[in-house]
Amino acid sequence: EIVLTQSPDTLSLSPGERATLSCRASQTFSSTYLTWFQQKPGQAPRLLIYGASNRATGIPDRFSGSGSGTDFTLTISRLEPEDFAVYYCQRYGGSRPWTFGQGTKVEIK
Amino acid sequence: EVQLVESGGGLVQPGGSLRLSCAASRFTFSKYSMNWVRQAPGKGLEWVSYINSDSRTIYYADSVKGRFTTSRDNAKNSLYLQMNSLRAEDTAVYYCARDREEILLDYYYYYMDVWGEGTTVTVSS
Repeated sequence: EIVLTQSPDTLSLSPGERATLSCRASQTFSSTYLTWFQQKPGQAPRLLIYGASNRATGIPDRFSGSGSGTDFTLTISRLEPEDFAVYYCQRYGGSRPWTFGQGTKVEIK
Repeated sequence: EVQLVESGGGLVQPGGSLRLSCAASRFTFSKYSMNWVRQAPGKGLEWVSYINSDSRTIYYADSVKGRFTTSRDNAKNSLYLQMNSLRAEDTAVYYCARDREEILLDYYYYYMDVWGEGTTVTVSS
């Protein structure tokens, strides 16, 4: 099983600051399988990035993804108030199970 | 707008059974593979099961294999999760999510693009 480890667990930042979230895999896999989601309390996950770097429809360009192999990054260039949430990476495709990282909470400092 | 709506959750005793449904609307359900994903209270997301568009390919997480059965009825635009031999650790919000496969510049991309709001399953005596 490929394990995804996200860091940090919690990121405390102010609106307007830059957020950098990491997702590290225990084994290398195709970047086309790497997805990022945003989840707010009481809501379903929302697709942000697929294929490691492709923004989903309607996602603002302050969200960007990068990486390959075992190291992937989600960057939020300037945090807006609505961006404070939990973010998950997921490997979807290839060998099963299709695991999620444990999540990174971006909270207001 | 494309929509998925889960139903069927509730309180069930350990060892009991429950059947979840996911109703799809505003897209051609029969052309898409689907997934079930769950989230235990205060915890992260866990992929549970996948079914392809014609039900010929079905996958399960090890944690539910042999106890859960995923099916679909394309004529009714519906996805199902039959859960048997339920355990306390199955307590979670269960989401259905649509599979997308996209080709960009000769690369194949896979992701879950549309999610329902979830239905809550509580396993407790």
